[in-house]
Amino acid sequence: DQQVKQNSPSLSVQEGRISILNCDYTNSMFDYFLWYKKYPAEGPTFLISISSIKDKNEDGRFTVFLNKSAKHLSLHIVPSQPGDSAVYFCAATGGTYKYIFGTGTRLKVLA
Amino acid sequence: DTGVSQNPRHKITKRGQNVTFRCDPISEHNRLYWYRQTLGQGPEFLTYFQNEAQLEKSRLLSDRFSAERPKGSFSTLEIQRTEQGDSAMYLCASSVSSGEQYFGPGTRLTVT
Repeated sequence: DQQVKQNSPSLSVQEGRISILNCDYTNSMFDYFLWYKKYPAEGPTFLISISSIKDKNEDGRFTVFLNKSAKHLSLHIVPSQPGDSAVYFCAATGGTYKYIFGTGTRLKVLA
Repeated sequence: DTGVSQNPRHKITKRGQNVTFRCDPISEHNRLYWYRQTLGQGPEFLTYFQNEAQLEKSRLLSDRFSAERPKGSFSTLEIQRTEQGDSAMYLCASSVSSGEQYFGPGTRLTVT
């Protein structure tokens, strides 16, 4: 039972344009959501998070939007840069320490 | 470098052998986690320590797996009688209380 789903395995975007990565979840007990970025041969790196009491959180070029009614979150990267090319995982947790990760979306930013 | 470190980075072993991995968390982090990641999947939770106490083990962690964090600092994950299905990336993460988890680079295990 995949509680956190990233339905797009890959995404290609031109440099300077917006990248939008999507994530859906099924467990209504989830109240904290995170995005991680992963380069090859490295562990995931924390990017940005959002609590369920908010619908938007911004950090520089990265913005996460949360739609609780749709059980959907998205990560926007503006403008996209070639260094953003990586695998992006969304993760969710429900008042515990246990993160449930999606399967990841591979982003390729084309120069 | 004050991040999470893991050793070894790569391990190749023959089926049936025992392996042990080490994780050194960020020094002020009292929480430590082990995850496993296979190709095309996200990290899957294995186990969690708060200080030296192991508070949860996933059902993914069969009785061939054991983890310890003897003094509430570094942790070890041992796999006994390895099987080919154990081949994966083993990730360690640490955090302060309920804050974001910071991951190490992982140990890639290949069982031949």
